[in-house]
Amino acid sequence: QVQLLESGPGLVKPSETLSLTCTVSGDSMRSHYWSWIRQPPGKGLEWIGYIYYSGSTNYTPSLKSRVTISIDTANNQFSLKLSSVTAADTAVYYCARGGFYRGDFDYWGQGTLVTVSS
Amino acid sequence: DIQITQSPSSLSASVGDRVTITCRASQTIITYLNWYQQKPGKAPKLLINTASTLQSGVPSRFSGSGSGTDFTLTISSLQPEDFAIYYCEQSYSTPYTFGQGTTLDFK
Repeated sequence: QVQLLESGPGLVKPSETLSLTCTVSGDSMRSHYWSWIRQPPGKGLEWIGYIYYSGSTNYTPSLKSRVTISIDTANNQFSLKLSSVTAADTAVYYCARGGFYRGDFDYWGQGTLVTVSS
Repeated sequence: DIQITQSPSSLSASVGDRVTITCRASQTIITYLNWYQQKPGKAPKLLINTASTLQSGVPSRFSGSGSGTDFTLTISSLQPEDFAIYYCEQSYSTPYTFGQGTTLDFK
């Protein structure tokens, strides 16, 4: 059974860098695209970007200048860094596996709430 | 970016009702349209991909249709566990984008 689990600080200060890791079990990371998606409290879903096992990435334009997604296939993990955060970056952050069509997300982590506050 | 307009934003219904949710894309996305169900405090769950392919384990009362720019999700006979928020999402091109969501609650 494929499982994804996000980990990282739940509180980040404004202007600092948000860092999260997603640990994948039950699957080889070489077969799929791996995405980060976020959801501000009470709001809808926003795709942040994806990474392939080769290291190839694709980011949403509105966050591209601040986002880095990296992968560690040896440890079955991929990570998100979002720099210069503001209160607008407060959200539940999900990691997800892209399915056969890459952008259909068939497995999700449970999500982790990251609050940006001093 | 491809914009996805989802309607209605909320819907009140009863057990046994047939309900339909629609999504319209700002340009053709062929059939690269996916549907998710989200319950409070949980991650979204993929119900249907490529407009009409039901995922394994999803009840057959859920169905999807459409192509091009117009898509629908239909629940043929609502069950108590179906009251949730539903999102559509286009995976035709990046950035992948979601509809605003439809909250389905008890009438």
